[in-house]
Amino acid sequence: DTAVSQTPKYLVTQMGNDKSIKCEQNLGHDTMYWYKQDSKKFLKIMFSYNNKELIINETVPNRFSPKSPDKAHLNLHINSLELGDSAVYFCASSQLTSGNHIQYFGAGTRLSVL
Amino acid sequence: AQKITQTQPGMFVQEKEAVTLDCTYDTSDQSYGLFWYKQPSSGEMIFLIYQGSYDEQNATEGRYSLNFQKARKSANLVISASQLGDSAMYFCAMRELGTFGTGTRLTIIP
Repeated sequence: DTAVSQTPKYLVTQMGNDKSIKCEQNLGHDTMYWYKQDSKKFLKIMFSYNNKELIINETVPNRFSPKSPDKAHLNLHINSLELGDSAVYFCASSQLTSGNHIQYFGAGTRLSVL
Repeated sequence: AQKITQTQPGMFVQEKEAVTLDCTYDTSDQSYGLFWYKQPSSGEMIFLIYQGSYDEQNATEGRYSLNFQKARKSANLVISASQLGDSAMYFCAMRELGTFGTGTRLTIIP
């Protein structure tokens, strides 16, 4: 079973559309994250939720809205997509009480905005 | 604020040789952790090794070891006996706030 799964793996859409990316983890972790990786491979954290509470909210346009219905899920909704949103989006999870907080990543969602 | 610096954008290494990937960090926290991740061309992020700031021994995981020098704020990844499958991007990261370096692209030459 995949530990952190994201869907879809690829997403191609037009500018101005609204889209969602789903993430689920079956590791029993209490914390989940969203990262954006640009074309130069730079990874930047966007959001982090601990036990469904937002704990990290980096400078991200408010067109991006995370939603955590429960500890095992963290979805990312993006409104009014722009060309600059094209990137690979990674979901990750960790257990903050473990001490090492190792983050386990999903396979990524490649978003292309045309 | 925390920062990770990886100064080697790319490296080429002969197969079976050892390779060291550099990572320096900056933090004002007394307790912190450092990770290394591997990202092959297929795109997934693979956890390799973790070092806690209070760990007395340098971390090792198979062919991977972490040369942790706290006073110099460096946490270099050493890969022994490199293999073709080691060709990938390698990222150094801090446990806190999900801070990642810019990565090093390692290419192993047969």
